[in-house]
Amino acid sequence: DTGVSQDPRHKITKRGQNVTFRCDPISEHNRLYWYRQTLGQGPEFLTYFQNEAQLEKSRLLSDRFSAERPKGSFSTLEIQRTEQGDSAMYLCASSSSDTQYFGPGTRLTVL
Amino acid sequence: GQQLNQSPQSMFIQEGEDVSMNCTSSSIFNTWLWYKQDPGEGPVLLIALYKAGELTSNGRLTAQFGITRKDSFLNISASIPSDVGIYFCAGVSNSNSGYALNFGKGTSLLVTP
Repeated sequence: DTGVSQDPRHKITKRGQNVTFRCDPISEHNRLYWYRQTLGQGPEFLTYFQNEAQLEKSRLLSDRFSAERPKGSFSTLEIQRTEQGDSAMYLCASSSSDTQYFGPGTRLTVL
Repeated sequence: GQQLNQSPQSMFIQEGEDVSMNCTSSSIFNTWLWYKQDPGEGPVLLIALYKAGELTSNGRLTAQFGITRKDSFLNISASIPSDVGIYFCAGVSNSNSGYALNFGKGTSLLVTP
């Protein structure tokens, strides 16, 4: 396993469209995290899973954001009715302890 | 999440110079992590610190976990052009959701040959 992977790497969409991003964690990691990063800022925590259970989702930015990890392996992050303010880098990380390893991110541009 | 103050915001140095950057918080953290991020990529873990007072090295990089558990620093010795990037500190506390990371705003490092 070479690390955390994310797909797609780039997504351009029109305002109002729905988008879905996928994250494949390091295989032996039971925790999976989603972060958002805007220009000039550090990553901002959104939500996390332990195995298939989503144990924290209060930091999701709005009810347009949702995440799943149905089998405790890969995860998806969906944004419905995208807005221009959703343009950012969406990062996934996985861990089995305090130390998190990040994927390359998905760059979302909303026109 | 808790706010981490990272300084300096940017540094412009010559190849071969040593670099020092730090991170402070008003809250206590149980773990400090340092990451490097290149443009368009995800953060890459450099050093992880788990105990107050711990000093850890990774090649030319050295980081310390402050005794108060509210600060950490990262030193880079004999900088080279590939050290260019943004360096982030991140803290983990027991109160966090599943060890979610709190990040600083980053230190942008530029190295001239």
